Amino acid sequence: GESVGLHLPTLSVQEGDNSIINCAYSNSASDYFIWYKQESGKGPQFIIDIRSNMDKRQGQRVTVLLNKTVKHLSLQIAATQPGDSAVYFCAENIPGVGTALIFGKGTTLSVSS
Amino acid sequence: EPEVTQTPSHQVTQMGQEVILRCVPISNHLYFYWYRQILGQKVEFLVSFYNNEISEKSEIFDDQFSVERPDGSNFTLKIRSTKLEDSAMYFCASSFTGQDGQFFGPGTRLTVL
Repeated sequence: GESVGLHLPTLSVQEGDNSIINCAYSNSASDYFIWYKQESGKGPQFIIDIRSNMDKRQGQRVTVLLNKTVKHLSLQIAATQPGDSAVYFCAENIPGVGTALIFGKGTTLSVSS
Repeated sequence: EPEVTQTPSHQVTQMGQEVILRCVPISNHLYFYWYRQILGQKVEFLVSFYNNEISEKSEIFDDQFSVERPDGSNFTLKIRSTKLEDSAMYFCASSFTGQDGQFFGPGTRLTVL
């Protein structure tokens, strides 16, 4: 599988590999995080979320890990498929500021078969 | 599965003209949002709306912008006098509690000539 230690704008993997997409968030007070998938010409699609009282949350083929010490979020996609090719964004919410989401820079995942 | 819908999918307008972008949020959601995404860039928050009033807005949301919930289903974004730099994808999103996932519509591509 592919492992990326720092945020990279692009990630290319082979079908069947595991993918890891990283995100550094901006505010240590942020307590809610969401990963979105955005396909070309479409709106962001909710994938998985996690609150700051958790370190890990699993969904179907996806896992989100939260490291509050270094303000780092990652999205792991198991057995990556061509249909997973998209831009992935992390988003955070800062409590007390409101309910707006602050989006990070996206990572373009390209899956080749 | 319920989803956020937006119309039109593409709007072309002349600089200085007024445009209204329309959204139908998910029916039982209480919080509504507008975001925009300039081509190739990250998603940016514009405004949130709850209980028939604006709850927060970003610096982008200046006096040229307004939002309205004219009836029980629609949520609109009006730009009074469009500028070239308003060209972007505009996304509507909705959330049930404001502290949970925000679900996005497919977007309206606004082109200002």
